[in-house]
Amino acid sequence: AQTVTQSQPEMSVQEAETVTLSCTYDTSENNYYLFWYKQPPSRQMILVIRQEAYKQQNATENRFSVNFQKAAKSFSLKISDSQLGDTAMYFCAFLQGGNTGKLIFGQGTTLQVKP
Amino acid sequence: EAQVTQNPRYLITVTGKKLTVTCSQNMNHEYMSWYRQDPGLGLRQIYYSMNVEVTDKGDVPEGYKVSRKEKRNFPLILESPSPNQTSLYFCASSPGDRAGFTGELFFGEGSRLTVL
Repeated sequence: AQTVTQSQPEMSVQEAETVTLSCTYDTSENNYYLFWYKQPPSRQMILVIRQEAYKQQNATENRFSVNFQKAAKSFSLKISDSQLGDTAMYFCAFLQGGNTGKLIFGQGTTLQVKP
Repeated sequence: EAQVTQNPRYLITVTGKKLTVTCSQNMNHEYMSWYRQDPGLGLRQIYYSMNVEVTDKGDVPEGYKVSRKEKRNFPLILESPSPNQTSLYFCASSPGDRAGFTGELFFGEGSRLTVL
């Protein structure tokens, strides 16, 4: 069974600095999707970024980028120029292959951006 | 406004008293799913529905039922709630028949359920 592991329960960063959140996953599949979701204090889940496994190029969305290492099964999220509004819990997620639509989430990392 | 709406947002109930958490989406999405969120465990899938004809169990279906009689609604039913079902519940939808079709799940705002 696929698993997603986020080994950093909590992290903090100074405003305007860069921070990297780690995620590893385990799968025997070759084609899959990876995601980072953000959950601010409002509890609403928001998609931050998506990566297709068949694409070697790392996905970027403005200040958010990923470092996708397929062989190492690693999928880290880098947040540049951190802002106070980035304070949230971040979840790494894996989309299972087949026709299940099953999105498997990691345990989450709470990020605190300090002024 | 495109959205996924869950009700109630907060509920305190007692063991054994049947309850239903409603979920409705106005985006004409085929796919809908329920997750529960617990500290240290992330989000775990309870049930999902690829379309109105297909519903299947996720990772933690025990103690829950769902119904998909029409595309827009996907209620979560707890026939006999127990304290271990105290959790934060999220409903989500996606336009394709699998979450990866668009790569994005649209989430509701969550329902905080406490079972005493």
